[in-house]
Amino acid sequence: KAGVTQTPRYLIKTRGQQVTLSCSPISGHRSVSWYQQTPGQGLQFLFEYFSETQRNKGNFPGRFSGRQFSNSRSEMNVSTLELGDSALYLCASSINRDPGGGYTFGSGTRLTVV
Amino acid sequence: SQQGEEDPQALSIQEGENATMNCSYKTSINNLQWYRQNSGRGLVHLILIRSNEREKHSGRLRVTLDTSKKSSSLLITASRAADTASYFCATDRGNTPLVFGKGTRLSVIA
Repeated sequence: KAGVTQTPRYLIKTRGQQVTLSCSPISGHRSVSWYQQTPGQGLQFLFEYFSETQRNKGNFPGRFSGRQFSNSRSEMNVSTLELGDSALYLCASSINRDPGGGYTFGSGTRLTVV
Repeated sequence: SQQGEEDPQALSIQEGENATMNCSYKTSINNLQWYRQNSGRGLVHLILIRSNEREKHSGRLRVTLDTSKKSSSLLITASRAADTASYFCATDRGNTPLVFGKGTRLSVIA
């Protein structure tokens, strides 16, 4: 079966712009979580969506937002980009909200802000 | 803040040797999982151990969990060059997000 698909794979944006990243979970998976990975901070939790509702949110400013559609696909948006937003953004899907089933990760979107 | 802290931060071994990575965490947990990440790619789920389990095996992987010490170890036996990657532990407390440590970078030299 198809894995978790993240698009685009690479992105270069200028400070002040906004960006939208997309994640298509494994078919049948209803939970989607987003993580930001940087060399300095490691993997930081951004949000979790389940059945189109945000269930958990990490400690990120309001410039970071997301949503989930009825087909479980999810998007995250970052507005007013800053240099520090340069990171690998990873999406993970699971069947339900219990992470004890393990997450399946996509290959990530590498965002570079210049 | 990170829940898990892996030790060591980096490890370099010869092919065929065993690699041991440790993870310590701060609060009570439901499950602890280990993931592998090849350079700049997504994470791959390796193994999960529940809080009421002490040891688990999967192929060349062996995971132990000591909840009294809030620590876990991942042993990779007979390592191969293809095992070169970063390894992360991650914990959860039920319907809470997975919280990851900063990882151990393993280099296996052929």
